[in-house]
Amino acid sequence: QQQVKQSPQSLIVQKGGISIINCAYENTAFDYFPWYQQFPGKGPALLIAIRPDVSEKKEGRFTISFNKSAKQFSLHIMDSQPGDSATYFCAATGAGSYQLTFGKGTKLSVIP
Amino acid sequence: NAGVTQTPKFQVLKTGQSMTLQCAQDMNHEYMSWYRQDPGMGLRLIHYSVGAGITDQGEVPNGYNVSRSTTEDFPLRLLSAAPSQTSVYFCASRRRGVAAHEQYFGPGTRLTVT
Repeated sequence: QQQVKQSPQSLIVQKGGISIINCAYENTAFDYFPWYQQFPGKGPALLIAIRPDVSEKKEGRFTISFNKSAKQFSLHIMDSQPGDSATYFCAATGAGSYQLTFGKGTKLSVIP
Repeated sequence: NAGVTQTPKFQVLKTGQSMTLQCAQDMNHEYMSWYRQDPGMGLRLIHYSVGAGITDQGEVPNGYNVSRSTTEDFPLRLLSAAPSQTSVYFCASRRRGVAAHEQYFGPGTRLTVT
């Protein structure tokens, strides 16, 4: 049973546009909601993370929006650049847990 | 710091063969983990370790063995490779006391079992 559902599977955005990737979770015990960025041939790298006690977190052009009542969170990439082209994974984990539950990933292509 | 390193980068095995995927980190992290990544499946935890001599199973442990004799190294052994183990394998590490998502991933090993 997949506990974190991610959409869309792939996304094409024009340079300068906004990229939006959505995730939904089921387990209310999750306490951290990170996003990872993965370039081809590389391992995932932590991009940004949020806890459920805040509704939004921003780091540069990357913003996580969190809706606790709907059990949804999303990644917004403002002013998307070709260098942002990568696969993005959302994930969730509980406080004290050893395990991360990953979404299936979204392949983002930013075209000039 | 080299961070998390993995060898080999690519490997092709025949069904039934055994091999060990190597993982090392030079950050003195207590926690280390192995994940597999399959197309359209995200990453799934195979095994993890919270310190030398201590290992435990993750979500998909069958067909894999681990041991941790030092803080730096966490090898993953495939005892009898099967085509279902064709995947990209990632090792990750983090220090004790930080949340599970604050881990560093290695570059991965792409394994094909024919």
